[in-house]
Amino acid sequence: DTEVTQTPKHLVMGMTNKKSLKCEQHMGHRAMYWYKQKAKKPPELMFVYSYEKLSINESVPSRFSPECPNSSLLNLHLHALQPEDSALYLCASSLGRWTLNTGELFFGEGSRLTVL
Amino acid sequence: GDSVTQMEGPVTLSEEAFLTINCTYTATGYPSLFWYVQYPGEGLQLLLKATKADDKGSNKGFEATYRKETTSFHLEKGSVQVSDSAVYFCALSGGANSKLTFGKGITLSVRP
Repeated sequence: DTEVTQTPKHLVMGMTNKKSLKCEQHMGHRAMYWYKQKAKKPPELMFVYSYEKLSINESVPSRFSPECPNSSLLNLHLHALQPEDSALYLCASSLGRWTLNTGELFFGEGSRLTVL
Repeated sequence: GDSVTQMEGPVTLSEEAFLTINCTYTATGYPSLFWYVQYPGEGLQLLLKATKADDKGSNKGFEATYRKETTSFHLEKGSVQVSDSAVYFCALSGGANSKLTFGKGITLSVRP
């Protein structure tokens, strides 16, 4: 069983809706990540939190808003999305940010988002 | 910048066949190398890793050796099973302040 839990597993939303994706880990990891994955493509990095502070934003549109309420939780708030934002959104965690570990990430199973 | 190149797919094999998936990389310094696997409908899982030249990573019958002279990290398995059907991503972490860089991934299908 994965130790990174993501909810919901599936989400359908209209372009005017506001929704959130949630991610939780209890491994004591201090870095958490959001990735976006389109079908048959590798994951694309969106955001990195290190010690609950946003350390990397890969020029993601502002309609995606990350939040890290504490070291175990990571949210991704969604607003005014476009159909092309439909994808699998993966959360991951690691002991420390890349500088502090060998790059081993633990992924959740993802939230499959469909924007109508 | 850092990059990872994987062989083109998809790959279809019969059960018990030998598997090789090629991966080469470009990086400055001494990266760590990884194979991640994504089973249908799931997130990615670390399959194996190697952190320095000549290291061999192994897990679940899969192996890969970090070859600095050829900048390669090919994945091999002696006898594949239907349950190995998945997408396989080669990746590298280039060290300080370096992100995890993924290859394009390759889909493996194993027939009974």
